[in-house]
Amino acid sequence: EVQLVESGGGFVQPGGSLRLSCAASGFTFSSYVMNWVRQAPGKGLEWISYIDLTSSTIYFADSVKGRFTISRDNAKNSLYLQMNSLRDEDTAVYYCARDHGQTSPYWYFDLWGRGTLVTVSS
Amino acid sequence: ENVLTQSPGTLSLSPGERATLSCRASQSVSSTYFAWYQHKPGQAPRLLIYGISSRATGIPDRFSGSGSGTDFTLTISRLEPEDFAVYYCQQYGSPPLTFGGGTKVEIK
Repeated sequence: EVQLVESGGGFVQPGGSLRLSCAASGFTFSSYVMNWVRQAPGKGLEWISYIDLTSSTIYFADSVKGRFTISRDNAKNSLYLQMNSLRDEDTAVYYCARDHGQTSPYWYFDLWGRGTLVTVSS
Repeated sequence: ENVLTQSPGTLSLSPGERATLSCRASQSVSSTYFAWYQHKPGQAPRLLIYGISSRATGIPDRFSGSGSGTDFTLTISRLEPEDFAVYYCQQYGSPPLTFGGGTKVEIK
């Protein structure tokens, strides 16, 4: 089955860190550029990060730049999001999303996971 | 950034009825870089439409997209029980890509 499964969410205090993982299966993970998208409670979707096939091109939304790091391990079919200096406003469900593009981004997403909840609170 | 405003916030309709969802952009969307997604609670979001009007793989033809510039529409010609969900629009013509706040289609 073609799917993405996120893990690693949980409860963390402000200023803390968390590492999210996304396991891909059923398709050639190394052939797709990938993204992270989040949804805060009661809000819409927010794109937060992009990584290309070889991890050579990476982008972040301004809201997380300098605090979050994205990486991938093509041998393990996995995508990661390292989140540092977490703030209350980072509370959200975090989704990994496969870009429709294989060698370069199309910037719309044809496969998503179910998400993992991150709660930042004191 | 290009802010997307979806209306209405909630649409209450019965199965078999036609649903018309709107999305307005604060700036003109470049080319055909516009998409729609369906999201049900606890499930993964699902790509419905890309390039304004192209249906994604496996999407039934009761879903259609239209529009240009700053105004876009998703139409569901006849609502099926499985279509009751939240729908999000997305523009990817200018960075950062942005999503709308969503329209919930609920059973009347």
